[in-house]
Amino acid sequence: QQQVKQSPQSLIVQKGGISIINCAYENTAFDYFPWYQQFPGKGPALLIAIRPDVSEKKEGRFTISFNKSAKQFSLHIMDSQPGDSATYFCAASRGAQKLVFGQGTRLTINP
Amino acid sequence: KAGVTQTPRYLIKTRGQQVTLSCSPISGHRSVSWYQQTPGQGLQFLFEYFSETQRNKGNFPGRFSGRQFSNSRSEMNVSTLELGDSALYLCASSLWGVGNQPQHFGDGTRLSIL
Repeated sequence: QQQVKQSPQSLIVQKGGISIINCAYENTAFDYFPWYQQFPGKGPALLIAIRPDVSEKKEGRFTISFNKSAKQFSLHIMDSQPGDSATYFCAASRGAQKLVFGQGTRLTINP
Repeated sequence: KAGVTQTPRYLIKTRGQQVTLSCSPISGHRSVSWYQQTPGQGLQFLFEYFSETQRNKGNFPGRFSGRQFSNSRSEMNVSTLELGDSALYLCASSLWGVGNQPQHFGDGTRLSIL
């Protein structure tokens, strides 16, 4: 029940295309869903986060879509750029409890 | 504002030894969390400290321990090192806690066990 399942494990997208990464969770008590971006040799950095009272949140080229009934949320990267090549992690938490991370998606944007 | 600082960046130890990793949070942040990152298991939560008290704990053996000082700096200790402890250890800080607020990560300590 504490798991967050992320797919795909790896993704290759052409420059200018849309990158989509999906996550699914079981624990309906989760109330915070962040996405983190990690470059090689660096720690994860918060990209964007959403709470279950909204279905979509957009920040620049990054959008989270949230489907409460399906217990799924996804990250969309519009107009993907080579600089977006990184590993992306979804996560979920309940209240002040620990963050549970997905397994990560290695995204490669081909120029 | 300075970010989260972890020292050392790299460490090589042998089985059976112990190790201490250090984390300096962002100024004003009172919560420090530790994570283990491996290719097979991904990012796994170790524990969280807030105001010098352990507030959350993950599913790791007692060989993994930590503490937090009055200036919010934190240390993590691993005793009787095993080969499987080879990993990137990440520290994250936040204002109030590990849950529903941004976690600011350091760049980690890469621990290799020979």
